[in-house]
Amino acid sequence: LAKTTQPISMDSYEGQEVNITCSHNNIATNDYITWYQQFPSQGPRFIIQGYKTKVTNEVASLFIPADRKSSTLSLPRVSLSDTAVYYCLVGLTGYSTLTFGKGTMLLVSP
Amino acid sequence: EPEVTQTPSHQVTQMGQEVILRCVPISNHLYFYWYRQILGQKVEFLVSFYNNEISEKSEIFDDQFSVERPDGSNFTLKIRSTKLEDSAMYFCASSEGQGAYNSPLHFGNGTRLTVT
Repeated sequence: LAKTTQPISMDSYEGQEVNITCSHNNIATNDYITWYQQFPSQGPRFIIQGYKTKVTNEVASLFIPADRKSSTLSLPRVSLSDTAVYYCLVGLTGYSTLTFGKGTMLLVSP
Repeated sequence: EPEVTQTPSHQVTQMGQEVILRCVPISNHLYFYWYRQILGQKVEFLVSFYNNEISEKSEIFDDQFSVERPDGSNFTLKIRSTKLEDSAMYFCASSEGQGAYNSPLHFGNGTRLTVT
């Protein structure tokens, strides 16, 4: 089971780009990297997932280097509503139990 | 966009009572999960369910817990005799399936269980 390490917290200001890096040194060949966002008293919400290189959707980008031992979630031009906990999970649905770590608490200030 | 729905949003029960938490997963999904989150702590895996049986369960999921898919739409978590430490937010999740494409989990907004 791939263990992940993320910063406990990050601070940013509205309009800035935020990059949250996750380390997963023992990622397995078949594992995907998936990021979730959680607001207080709500369930985690899927943001983006990738296997290698770069993935972009309407919300975020995910950068994965060739060795796949880390990944970076990039949130362009954050707003106050992006204040949340962000989790990096590594695994393959149906084959491995997806385990949440402590996540990164992102605080966006005006 | 289809979503996972959970009922009730808040359940208060007395210690020793049985509770059933209900979930309606996304209709074409095949994998179902329960997670829980004690206030201020991380989201913890309880159990996964596929093809009408438990695929995996954590150490938390002891004999007091059970899951069931009683019909084609509902997925339930039963706690037989609740303890104070069962107080938490319980999240249901579902995913499409498995394979080369990794199907992400989709979570409901949870049931807050308070045991008094």
